Amino acid sequence: DSGVTQTPKHLITATGQRVTLRCSPRSGDLSVYWYQQSLDQGLQFLIQYYNGEERAKGNILERFSAQQFPDLHSELNLSSLELGDSALYFCASSVLAVNTDTQYFGPGTRLTVL
Amino acid sequence: DQQVKQNSPSLSVQEGRISILNCDYTNSMFDYFLWYKKYPAEGPTFLISISSIKDKNEDGRFTVFLNKSAKHLSLHIVPSQPGDSAVYFCLSSGSARQLTFGSGTQLTVLP
Repeated sequence: DSGVTQTPKHLITATGQRVTLRCSPRSGDLSVYWYQQSLDQGLQFLIQYYNGEERAKGNILERFSAQQFPDLHSELNLSSLELGDSALYFCASSVLAVNTDTQYFGPGTRLTVL
Repeated sequence: DQQVKQNSPSLSVQEGRISILNCDYTNSMFDYFLWYKKYPAEGPTFLISISSIKDKNEDGRFTVFLNKSAKHLSLHIVPSQPGDSAVYFCLSSGSARQLTFGSGTQLTVLP
């Protein structure tokens, strides 16, 4: 158990809908990362937050957004969903925001768009 | 444009032998590299890391080698155990906050 929790575990929705994925980092970790793992691809970095502020952006679509709240939990919002958005979404956390920091991953949320 | 490549999608090794997993990168700005292991239905877990100022780092059965001139890193597992069977990802990061995972290699250790 990494100490990072993600809810829900599974999510099934329809095209055009909007969903929110939630992540609670390990106690004491200030940085949260979001990743997408599609069926035929590795983990794609989406976005990173540190202590409530956006720190780095990867391959995140404009239809996706995220935020980190004062209690440090984070939410990833996915809107106007398409079939291709079906994937595993992982959240990770680390103490700091430096690239040498070890990230601890949650178990992931499996999103299925029908 | 894949900046980090793991060219072998799968690898099978006999228990007790050495497993060698490879990762190639193209971005010379990457200066820190990590290996993660992933079991089905779980998130990746950290294994070992190496900074670009080193060429080798060891932790128990796991050793990571970095060849900066070839932009290549490898993870050696000796001796391999059936519990090592998992997907292994390399993660490359740079000071510009670039974070790039390889596509993963499925390691199967045969008893």
